[in-house]
Amino acid sequence: QVQLVESGGGVVQPGRSLRLSCTASGFTFTSYGMHWVRQAPGKGLEWVAVISYDGSSKYYADSVKGRFTISRDNSKNTLYMQMNSLRPEDTAVYYCAKDYYTYGQYYYGMNAWGQGTTVTVSS
Amino acid sequence: QSVLTQPPSMSAAPGQKVTISCSGSSSNIGNNYVFWYQQLPGTAPKLLIYENNRRPSGIPDRFSGSKSGTSATLGITGLQTGDEADYYCGTWDNSLTVVFGGGTKLTVL
Repeated sequence: QVQLVESGGGVVQPGRSLRLSCTASGFTFTSYGMHWVRQAPGKGLEWVAVISYDGSSKYYADSVKGRFTISRDNSKNTLYMQMNSLRPEDTAVYYCAKDYYTYGQYYYGMNAWGQGTTVTVSS
Repeated sequence: QSVLTQPPSMSAAPGQKVTISCSGSSSNIGNNYVFWYQQLPGTAPKLLIYENNRRPSGIPDRFSGSKSGTSATLGITGLQTGDEADYYCGTWDNSLTVVFGGGTKLTVL
């Protein structure tokens, strides 16, 4: 079965950096786009970024563009999110999620989610 | 605020039916598939409906989806206490982003 396991969260000061990882198993990782979605405490879902199956295309929410970088290592079945210049408003549970479609060109939705990793940005 | 508009909360009695709306525009719902997610308290979201009205395996037929123009609707019949959750709609937007609704908290009284 599909399994997504996030790691790398923690408490970090404003302006510092953090790198999240998501290790995937149970499906052909190299065939699917992958997303990061976050949820601030008591708030709704906020999409953060998506990367295509081969890493050639990347799209970001305006709120993180220029600060966050999504990447993947298909040889390790692992998704990453490098988060720089962190702000208190980046505090959230970060989920990685598998796109629904193989070799998708558009990214309508997700059909598997990890358990999430918590990022807290505070001085 | 969210690009897609959902009612913040809804409530209904066990056994009843509820419909949750999701309103967008021609740049998102109007020209793209809508997905619905269920998030039970303290857990990760789970796919409930894909491509407007299709159910993944394992999702009971009490859950249904529809789309008309720039709006979509999630229907739940035969409400159970276990359906108490937050429900989100989502889709692709022509601005090259994924957009979600703000979420609807469903209470089964």
